[in-house]
Amino acid sequence: EAGVAQSPRYKIIEKRQSVAFWCNPISGHATLYWYQQILGQGPKLLIQFQNNGVVDDSQLPKDRFSAERLKGVDSTLKIQPAKLEDSAVYLCASSLDYATEPNTEAFFGQGTRLTVV
Amino acid sequence: AQKVTQAQTEISVVEKEDVTLDCVYETRDTTYYLFWYKQPPSGELVFLIRRNSFDEQNEISGRYSWNFQKSTSSFNFTITASQVVDSAVYFCALSEDSDYKLSFGAGTTVTVRA
Repeated sequence: EAGVAQSPRYKIIEKRQSVAFWCNPISGHATLYWYQQILGQGPKLLIQFQNNGVVDDSQLPKDRFSAERLKGVDSTLKIQPAKLEDSAVYLCASSLDYATEPNTEAFFGQGTRLTVV
Repeated sequence: AQKVTQAQTEISVVEKEDVTLDCVYETRDTTYYLFWYKQPPSGELVFLIRRNSFDEQNEISGRYSWNFQKSTSSFNFTITASQVVDSAVYFCALSEDSDYKLSFGAGTTVTVRA
C-alpha cells in the first residue's frame, strides 16, 4: 500500500515570497491533516479535512496560510507571504474516516522542510 | 496548557542497553487515546501504538513495551536491547474524545551508539 506522498521535500524561499506544498493521502482515507513541526518541537495541527470539508482550522494563521482539498483527495497548503518564523517541516497525514473512527491512528508523509531566509 | 509532557529531551545509550521514555499527559476527559510515534531521520512519523483510556494492560511488541498507569497519568515506553536502528525522535501524543485532535509532546531524541 502506498503511503502519504508529499512534495517538494525541501524548499528555500525569501521572506515575503509565497510557497505551496502538495499532499496525496493514502487511498481511501477520508481525513487529511496538515501539521507544522518547528525544529525541536512536536507537530502542531494546522488544519484537518474530512473529505473536502474543513473540520478544524483553529490553529491555521489565516492571514497568510490557506489550504484546500477540492476533490476530497489531494490537498495543497499555501503560505503567502512567508515569514522567517514559518521555517519548519510541514507534515501531511491521513487517516480513515474521522466521523466513524475518530481516534484512529494517522499515517504521515515525509514532510516538506521549508526554510525562509 | 501542555497536554503531553516528555521531560527527557535526549537520551544516549550503547547498543543492547534498555531505554525508557517517559510520557505524562493531562486531560479532563474520561475517554481518551494515547499514542507513540517514531520519527527517524527520514522525517515521516511512524505509528507504534494506540491505547485507549479503559485499557490499562501493559503491552509488549517484540523489543518494545508500554506501561500505562492512569493513577500517575503516564504512558511510558521501553525499548529493550536497543539497536542502532532505534535511533530516532519518539513522540507521545494524546487524543481526547472531546475534540479528537492529536496533541504531541515535544519528543525525546534517542541515540543508540554501536
